[in-house]
Amino acid sequence: DGGITQSPKYLFRKEGQNVTLSCEQNLNHDAMYWYRQDPGQGLRLIYYSQIVNDFQKGDIAEGYSVSREKKESFPLTVTSAQKNPTAFYLCASRGEAVLNTEAFFGQGTRLTVV
Amino acid sequence: GESVGLHLPTLSVQEGDNSIINCAYSNSASDYFIWYKQESGKGPQFIIDIRSNMDKRQGQRVTVLLNKTVKHLSLQIAATQPGDSAVYFCAENIRGYQKVTFGTGTKLQVIP
Repeated sequence: DGGITQSPKYLFRKEGQNVTLSCEQNLNHDAMYWYRQDPGQGLRLIYYSQIVNDFQKGDIAEGYSVSREKKESFPLTVTSAQKNPTAFYLCASRGEAVLNTEAFFGQGTRLTVV
Repeated sequence: GESVGLHLPTLSVQEGDNSIINCAYSNSASDYFIWYKQESGKGPQFIIDIRSNMDKRQGQRVTVLLNKTVKHLSLQIAATQPGDSAVYFCAENIRGYQKVTFGTGTKLQVIP
């Protein structure tokens, strides 16, 4: 089945540690995205990537880093510099921009700092 | 619109009634709009989309209306069911660009 997979579903991190969230898609999509969602709130864009080896900061990139070494994969690292990392993280992918189609989302990773 | 620090507005609807969820988009250059449904603890799912050359588009039990003059989108759900209870987001995009911007979202509660 084609789709977008995030892992793990739940993640616990100690304060001061970096942690990496995985996102893989087999939809052959060019673009991939990371959003953060806090309880009862909307989606805020962290980073997005339009093609391999390219990515742009979104609205809340501070304390996060990404890489796009392969088309299928767009891992997000939450660094110790992120002051309030506990949140629900959503990854999405999208086809060619000229086609103007919807983004497909993974099922999310819930990160808790303990 | 900006969702930082804002909690989701809630729309409560009686089962069987029609629901109308509104969204104001921010960029007059946006030419593609999408509605998503997000159930608790899950990722958003596509419901329906509309391009700027249309004013209205219908799906199964859902209709999206686009008013470009006032930069407004609405999602109408006919005969609302308990399974429609979720958070609904609108999103906007400009053709040829990959940045997708989401609106604040609205929580729909269906009263049995």
